[in-house]
Amino acid sequence: SQKIEQNSEALNIQEGKTATLTCNYTNYSPAYLQWYRQDPGRGPVFLLLIRENEKEKRKERLKVTFDTTLKQSLFHITASQPADSATYLCALLRCAGSQGNLIFGKGTKLSVKP
Amino acid sequence: GAVVSQHPSWVICKSGTSVKIECRSLDFQATTMFWYRQFPKQSLMLMATSNEGSKATYEQGVEKDKFLINHASLTLSTLTVTSAHPEDSSFYICSAAGGTDTQYFGPGTRLTVL
Repeated sequence: SQKIEQNSEALNIQEGKTATLTCNYTNYSPAYLQWYRQDPGRGPVFLLLIRENEKEKRKERLKVTFDTTLKQSLFHITASQPADSATYLCALLRCAGSQGNLIFGKGTKLSVKP
Repeated sequence: GAVVSQHPSWVICKSGTSVKIECRSLDFQATTMFWYRQFPKQSLMLMATSNEGSKATYEQGVEKDKFLINHASLTLSTLTVTSAHPEDSSFYICSAAGGTDTQYFGPGTRLTVL
């Protein structure tokens, strides 16, 4: 069956450091992968989308890589700030060519300490 | 950016009652809307996909007679939890897509069934 795993349930880092979150998937060849931020009691907020033919995507302090050989995506936040503390979710499009049908990981709760 | 709202943000009801949750896309037309459920410390699980003017497509294991979905217009979808029971208590989140690769999520509705 298709699985998507985010390696850490929680990640604690010091302010100013780079946070790196990992998303691995099996039995699947996604068309694209997305990263979301979710704050407690709130819906997910879209951050970045990376397609299967893209190696890397950047947006301000965020960087996402997508390695279809390793079946892995890495999500980096550089110069992290306490305001970056949240749960970050990765999601794969289940069926290429169709909209929706996202499969979500359980998320990694990031805590940035001042 | 695209904004999706949900109403109510939280609701507490007695077992056996029906609860209606609204999802609106405020500044774009959503050809497709999705309903998710999220239990504590769990990933978002897709319940159903609905396209405007047609019947919703339910995921395996989701009872269509219990979770009624109506997508009457390009800006409004409703989810009705019929005869709610304590095990239906969860965080219900909708998302909307307007023809691009990105889904925009609502803020969620916390349902508590006593």
